[in-house]
Amino acid sequence: EPEVTQTPSHQVTQMGQEVILRCVPISNHLYFYWYRQILGQKVEFLVSFYNNEISEKSEIFDDQFSVERPDGSNFTLKIRSTKLEDSAMYFCASSGTQKGGRRNIQYFGAGTRLSVL
Amino acid sequence: KNEVEQSPQNLTAQEGEFITINCSYSVGISALHWLQQHPGGGIVSLFMLSSGKKKHGRLIATINIQEKHSSLHITASHPRDSAVYICAVANTGNQFYFGTGTSLTVIP
Repeated sequence: EPEVTQTPSHQVTQMGQEVILRCVPISNHLYFYWYRQILGQKVEFLVSFYNNEISEKSEIFDDQFSVERPDGSNFTLKIRSTKLEDSAMYFCASSGTQKGGRRNIQYFGAGTRLSVL
Repeated sequence: KNEVEQSPQNLTAQEGEFITINCSYSVGISALHWLQQHPGGGIVSLFMLSSGKKKHGRLIATINIQEKHSSLHITASHPRDSAVYICAVANTGNQFYFGTGTSLTVIP
């Protein structure tokens, strides 16, 4: 069964460093998402991406964050200068072989745990 | 403010019991998702609903758009159903809002 894969599973970084979290969505999907979950808290939406551009983003997704689909298979989340409060589990998801992605089931990766020291 | 409210927050059931988890939301939506998060953290999509009712195995999800309410039912619950169940809504602008989850424990 096709699946969304995320690497690395755990990333440790120093405050102020840049990190790139990587995701390989399901190959024929059109919509891509990043979410985060701070330990003990609810999942939060960060950004959705369609047709090589951001389609929606939350208030959390400020100038420190960026997303990219560099090569047609990877979907990356970059945090430019990490802060302690960026420590969380980051989930990538993909959906939709048809237009109208928000009405499609999303498939989630296993997550990347980011620890900022 | 919470756009999505779930109840109960925690639920313990005996194996075989019928379980209901409720979700109320305050935004206009295009779709509602029920997700399952396992103790290891992985998330699995169970249902996407925009109207009516869906059934998959022992799981049933319903939505009432007028009342802005959805329920997830588990029939004949089993210990392997133990997980956190999360309700999430996609608004008309493709933003997603998540509930805080319902932690279910099914005791043998």
